[in-house]
Amino acid sequence: GENVEQHPSTLSVQEGDSAVIKCTYSDSASNYFPWYKQELGKRPQLIIDIRSNVGEKKDQRIAVTLNKTAKHFSLHITETQPEDSAVYFCAAFSTSGTYKYIFGTGTRLKVLA
Amino acid sequence: EAQVTQNPRYLITVTGKKLTVTCSQNMNHEYMSWYRQDPGLGLRQIYYSMNVEVTDKGDVPEGYKVSRKEKRNFPLILESPSPNQTSLYFCASRGQGQNIQYFGAGTRLSVL
Repeated sequence: GENVEQHPSTLSVQEGDSAVIKCTYSDSASNYFPWYKQELGKRPQLIIDIRSNVGEKKDQRIAVTLNKTAKHFSLHITETQPEDSAVYFCAAFSTSGTYKYIFGTGTRLKVLA
Repeated sequence: EAQVTQNPRYLITVTGKKLTVTCSQNMNHEYMSWYRQDPGLGLRQIYYSMNVEVTDKGDVPEGYKVSRKEKRNFPLILESPSPNQTSLYFCASRGQGQNIQYFGAGTRLSVL
């Protein structure tokens, strides 16, 4: 079945450095790719998303890139801060067919002060 | 305020004792889903519903039931809970033609 692979599972960076999390999806029909941030004990919160007709999207310190040919998308966080520490999930969604979100397994990001 | 509400937030029960986790949304969304979250496995879909009286299995439906008698409510039923259903559960909803999915606050279930 469809799946989304996410790497790395854990990532530690120094405050101020950049962090990159990568995901690969299998369903060619996927056309929407959200990223969620989940703080301890909280619900997943959407932080940025990208549609398949766009190659890159940026929102302040956060950016997402998409390579449809390679079925690959990435989250980039620049100038990391301690409050960026959380678990990040990528997902792939198709607006046709199954209408299912397929989530990656998550990346625990630790920003060291 | 637009929201997805789950109850209870925390639940400890024993094997075999039927339980229901409620989920309600006030956004008139057509699509609703239940997920379970386990360490290292991410969010896995249990069941989803595309509208009233329309439900379908997700990736891990065994041991769960759902119903969608009203548009706003989508309860998750565990007829005979087992310890392997100990998990963090999230309900989510999405409007038709919309991509963004909204999550409830989560229900942490422990089955002893």
